[in-house]
Amino acid sequence: AQSVTQLGSHVSVSEGALVLLRCNYSSSVPPYLFWYVQYPNQGLQLLLKYTSAATLVKGINGFEAEFKKSETSFHLTKPSAHMSDAAEYFCAVSRSSASKIIFGSGTRLSIRP
Amino acid sequence: GAGVSQSPSNKVTEKGKDVELRCDPISGHTALYWYRQSLGQGLEFLIYFQGNSAPDKSGLPSDRFSAERTGGSVSTLTIQRTQQEDSAVYLCASSPTSGKNIQYFGAGTRLSVL
Repeated sequence: AQSVTQLGSHVSVSEGALVLLRCNYSSSVPPYLFWYVQYPNQGLQLLLKYTSAATLVKGINGFEAEFKKSETSFHLTKPSAHMSDAAEYFCAVSRSSASKIIFGSGTRLSIRP
Repeated sequence: GAGVSQSPSNKVTEKGKDVELRCDPISGHTALYWYRQSLGQGLEFLIYFQGNSAPDKSGLPSDRFSAERTGGSVSTLTIQRTQQEDSAVYLCASSPTSGKNIQYFGAGTRLSVL
């Protein structure tokens, strides 16, 4: 069975500060891992994905995530937060292509001026 | 189309009524998924279509929920005899059969059962 745990339902950082959103996964097979972002009243947008290529994955809007098998983690980072980054972020895992995605419970990111 | 289209964007219904939610996937995408997003349960998988068949319907919460897809394109999610706990945002996603499992999501249908 696969699962995803996001640590912290709400994270608040100052504008310009480092963003770190934590995600740990559980999977019996090599996983596909994703980060999605949801802006208020909008659908989910893919930020980045890991599919067993490079362990450091770069996504849109300056975000990146590092796959660490030994820690079963896939934390999302951004060096300098921007006000427009305020949103809900979801870590997700799937077994392979064309299979359902299992989402974490989400982390709401707030940015302080 | 340019993206996944869902209709209606909002639906208010009375308890006990049936509702139909529609999803128009990205043209050419063979895989289609339904998810539900609610306050108490987060984002839950409901059903997955490959073409017109549904190899995984393990997430449908009860037999009041059903979905179909015709012509390998549009899908309809039907909820019969709606209950208040069915209130949620229903999200549809589609994916090309490319082996990368990138799912593109629609904006969702917000269902409110009074």
